Amino acid sequence: QVQLVESGGGVVQPGRSLRLSCAASGFTFSSYAMVWVRQAPGKGLEWVSLISYDGGNKHYADSVKGRFTISRDNSKNTLFLQMNSLRVEDTAAYYCARSTPNFDSWGQGTLVAVSS
Amino acid sequence: SYELTQPPSVSVSAGQTASITCSGDKLGDKYACWYQQKPGQSPVLVMYQDSKRPSGIPERFSGSNSGNTATLTISGTQAMDEADYYCQAWDSSTVVFGGGTKLTVL
Repeated sequence: QVQLVESGGGVVQPGRSLRLSCAASGFTFSSYAMVWVRQAPGKGLEWVSLISYDGGNKHYADSVKGRFTISRDNSKNTLFLQMNSLRVEDTAAYYCARSTPNFDSWGQGTLVAVSS
Repeated sequence: SYELTQPPSVSVSAGQTASITCSGDKLGDKYACWYQQKPGQSPVLVMYQDSKRPSGIPERFSGSNSGNTATLTISGTQAMDEADYYCQAWDSSTVVFGGGTKLTVL
């Protein structure tokens, strides 16, 4: 079965960096686009970034453009999100999801807290 | 930027029909999908391409999309359907979520 497991979250000070990972299994990872979606505490879902199946196309929400970078390693079935210049408003649970192009499988999420 | 608007809350009596709307400019020209999220859990896809149910989603869930409004309908609503529901569509190469609707089953 499809499994997505995020890791790398934690508490970080404003302005610092963090790298999230999403380990995929149970499907041919290299055949699917992937996305990151976040959810601030008590708030709704917010799309963060999308990467095509081969990593050739990447798109970002305006709120993270220029600060976050999405990437993937198809040889290791892993998706990444490099988050730089973090802000308090980036505090959220970050989910990775498979895009079909509907988001039919989600990970359990990893929490990122940006606080001084 | 493209926006999707949902009512913050909808209440329904158990056994009755719940309708959750999602509005956006010419949304009917796009595909809409819906996610269910229960407290402490990850979202689950419950409807895609306006009206298609993923495997494992009960038949009481149905969807439609026309004009500026997509609608998720739950017939014979059960207590287990109490959750937050989010609509989602694509605008060019970006993803747009609605603000979410909290469904309360009375």
